[in-house]
Amino acid sequence: SQQGEEDPQALSIQEGENATMNCSYKTSINNLQWYRQNSGRGLVHLILIRSNEREKHSGRLRVTLDTSKKSSSLLITASRAADTASYFCATDPYNTDKLIFGTGTRLQVFP
Amino acid sequence: EAGVTQSPTHLIKTRGQQATLRCSPISGHTSVYWYQQALGLGLQFLLWYDEGEERNRGNFPPRFSGRQFPNYSSELNVNALELEDSALYLCASRPTRSGELFFGEGSRLTVL
Repeated sequence: SQQGEEDPQALSIQEGENATMNCSYKTSINNLQWYRQNSGRGLVHLILIRSNEREKHSGRLRVTLDTSKKSSSLLITASRAADTASYFCATDPYNTDKLIFGTGTRLQVFP
Repeated sequence: EAGVTQSPTHLIKTRGQQATLRCSPISGHTSVYWYQQALGLGLQFLLWYDEGEERNRGNFPPRFSGRQFPNYSSELNVNALELEDSALYLCASRPTRSGELFFGEGSRLTVL
């Protein structure tokens, strides 16, 4: 079964708006990662946040992690049409040495 | 530096046949992961190889198998293909047991 569940499943916004995606997971983790996938292609790593971190920034990306609620959010500020893609969270649970991916959020940014 | 490369890009097979997919990790990466992504769905963990050995496998039947060669490249074999095996198969590598995964562009398998 999937470790992570993203919410919403799909999101449509206008260029310049902010996009927020949420991820919930089930077990204790070493870290949580966010990836982006353009249609039908390989995934690209965006950002990694460790279990002892609460917030992390990278360019227009802001990730938060709440281990007590087993949840994370990805905020993309000032979105662009080129941000249109699917976004996945992936958790690195203790003692498994594998990444488990969520179901993804499909983001559509209209010019 | 070359990224993760996968071949073939596309593969069409019929039910009951066998498919072989190949992956070359980034130079210096010893861990190779295989994931299955059915159309419109998330990634399902298939197999993990490290230092030539299978370290973990997902909830897939034994007809999904593979191996890792001494140069750390890997092969995924799917026997007795079924229609529901149609999917994008993604290979990824990483240099250690933690940290980010580097993905290839995938091999799209279509079973008719």
